Amino acid sequence: SQQGEEDPQALSIQEGENATMNCSYKTSINNLQWYRQNSGRGLVHLILIRSNEREKHSGRLRVTLDTSKKSSSLLITASRAADTASYFCATDARGGGSEKLVFGKGTKLTVNP
Amino acid sequence: DAGVTQSPTHLIKTRGQQVTLRCSPKSGHDTVSWYQQALGQGPQFIFQYYEEEERQRGNFPDRFSGHQFPNYSSELNVNALLLGDSALYLCASSLGGIQPQHFGDGTRLSIL
Repeated sequence: SQQGEEDPQALSIQEGENATMNCSYKTSINNLQWYRQNSGRGLVHLILIRSNEREKHSGRLRVTLDTSKKSSSLLITASRAADTASYFCATDARGGGSEKLVFGKGTKLTVNP
Repeated sequence: DAGVTQSPTHLIKTRGQQVTLRCSPKSGHDTVSWYQQALGQGPQFIFQYYEEEERQRGNFPDRFSGHQFPNYSSELNVNALLLGDSALYLCASSLGGIQPQHFGDGTRLSIL
């Protein structure tokens, strides 16, 4: 079973607009990560936010984490056609030094030129 | 610096057959994890290998087995293939307990 649930399942926007994707999870975590997957390819790590952090930036990406609500959001600003991909959040369970990642079902983002 | 490489890229098998997928981790990484990704779904954790031993396992039957070699490369074996085993199989590597994981492009397995 998958711990994370992304919302929305699909998102279509115009180039230059911002895209916001949300993720909810069920159990306590060490950190939360966001990955991108282009069609038929492997996953590319975008950003990692630790459980004691509330916000993190990387280029055009902004991630927030609310551990009290067990939720995270990924904001992509000034989107480009090349941002078209599926985006997944992934969590690892707190404790045990585990590297097991639990993924959601993803948000499919389409950026129209 | 080579990233994670997987072979083959595509594979077609029939029900009941056995398959072996291979993964070479990113240089300097010692831990390999395997994931199964069905169409339209997120990846699901199969198992993880560290120091040539299975360190953790997801909710997959014993038909799924693996191995890690002294050079840290890894194999995923699936016996008695079922139609439901059709998926993209992803390998990810990392160094010990340090995130994030680095993924290969996967092996697309189709069962007829």
